[in-house]
Amino acid sequence: GAGVSQTPSNKVTEKGKYVELRCDPISGHTALYWYRQSLGQGPEFLIYFQGTGAADDSGLPNDRFFAVRPEGSVSTLKIQRTERGDSAVYLCASSLNPAGSGNTIYFGEGSWLTVV
Amino acid sequence: DAKTTQPPSMDCAEGRAANLPCNHSTISGNEYVYWYRQIHSQGPQYIIHGLKNNETNEMASLIITEDRKSSTLILPHATLRDTAVYYCIVRSSGTYKYIFGTGTRLKVLA
Repeated sequence: GAGVSQTPSNKVTEKGKYVELRCDPISGHTALYWYRQSLGQGPEFLIYFQGTGAADDSGLPNDRFFAVRPEGSVSTLKIQRTERGDSAVYLCASSLNPAGSGNTIYFGEGSWLTVV
Repeated sequence: DAKTTQPPSMDCAEGRAANLPCNHSTISGNEYVYWYRQIHSQGPQYIIHGLKNNETNEMASLIITEDRKSSTLILPHATLRDTAVYYCIVRSSGTYKYIFGTGTRLKVLA
């Protein structure tokens, strides 16, 4: 597709359940980012991939959160034992070259997660 | 961490220029400044970015001060569709994190 694609666009899950959120970056983009945005706040960094490897996962809030990018394109953010505080919009972004290179970073429309 | 500071809100009359300031005094010498906007319930939309020189594209102009500690995004002829939250972001030096602040909520008035 032309842009960053995220699925599902909306997800309602029960507390304690496991959730996967998928990101399809722009074709050929090597850098991929996950952010989380709570209501009324700016996006907060979660994790950055350069290719297949997580170059910086310092923003993941705890060990219930994990992300993978096994083939260097699609990425999946995984949340175990969801809590109500995990409710937020999860944003994915990608850029052609590594962070700091001055390339444009494109964001997807986000996955709205609600934990009830 | 790098940090940006923006006024929380601004109003602008339709058809007038909207000038949105951002302070990024902790930016390091080789980091770019990016501007995005976010319309309710949508993902951040890229507007423009720059390093040292002023930049212009079809959406906006970016003026960066000589010391690079602040910048101004200019929407030359604001329309009602430009009502959004505008973020300036910089990368935290030595990391891969692009840091968003709380942004400026711009309201364009008819």
